[in-house]
Amino acid sequence: GESVGLHLPTLSVQEGDNSIINCAYSNSASDYFIWYKQESGKGPQFIIDIRSNMDKRQGQRVTVLLNKTVKHLSLQIAATQPGDSAVYFCAETLGGFKTIFGAGTRLFVKA
Amino acid sequence: DAGITQSPRHKVTETGTPVTLRCHQTENHRYMYWYRQDPGHGLRLIHYSYGVKDTDKGEVSDGYSVSRSKTEDFLLTLESATSSQTSVYFCAISAQGSKDTIYFGEGSWLTVV
Repeated sequence: GESVGLHLPTLSVQEGDNSIINCAYSNSASDYFIWYKQESGKGPQFIIDIRSNMDKRQGQRVTVLLNKTVKHLSLQIAATQPGDSAVYFCAETLGGFKTIFGAGTRLFVKA
Repeated sequence: DAGITQSPRHKVTETGTPVTLRCHQTENHRYMYWYRQDPGHGLRLIHYSYGVKDTDKGEVSDGYSVSRSKTEDFLLTLESATSSQTSVYFCAISAQGSKDTIYFGEGSWLTVV
């Protein structure tokens, strides 16, 4: 399938290093946040989520940090692998059916 | 695998023709969504459904209609396709609306020539 997000910011990391992908969200009233991974030609895949009453949440090799003061969300991937190469984007939920998705960051893992 | 099947996965159609994209879920989730994804943009909501026969517009609904006659099926129709509707379309589902994780299908690539 076609590739979307041809003009996205790119993060290039060496295999085995840690990756940090950042996201600035728009609304201080947002109370639920999700990180997605999207590989070329595929649909977005859920990675991890966090609610506004938390600052940090850990999954398998991934950690999400939420800084409500500056409306900033980050995704940390430990020991990045070639299979982690993809577009990553965040989503914020304001309530009702209002979910805003970021355009994303392309992660490139060098072997 | 979120149990969402979209069809067709790829389609090329001519300007002015009607097109229907189908979404089928096996999760019995109440909420279903259609999004479009274009280069440089985040996913944008076209229409959503909060139950059988209950649908509403999203932020980019012009030129699109939807129908949901069964819990598991959500159809997106382009009544008269235009080149600006060339895009990737994603169906999504959630159990409890936007307070819950939204899971996406694999996408339908539509080209209007």
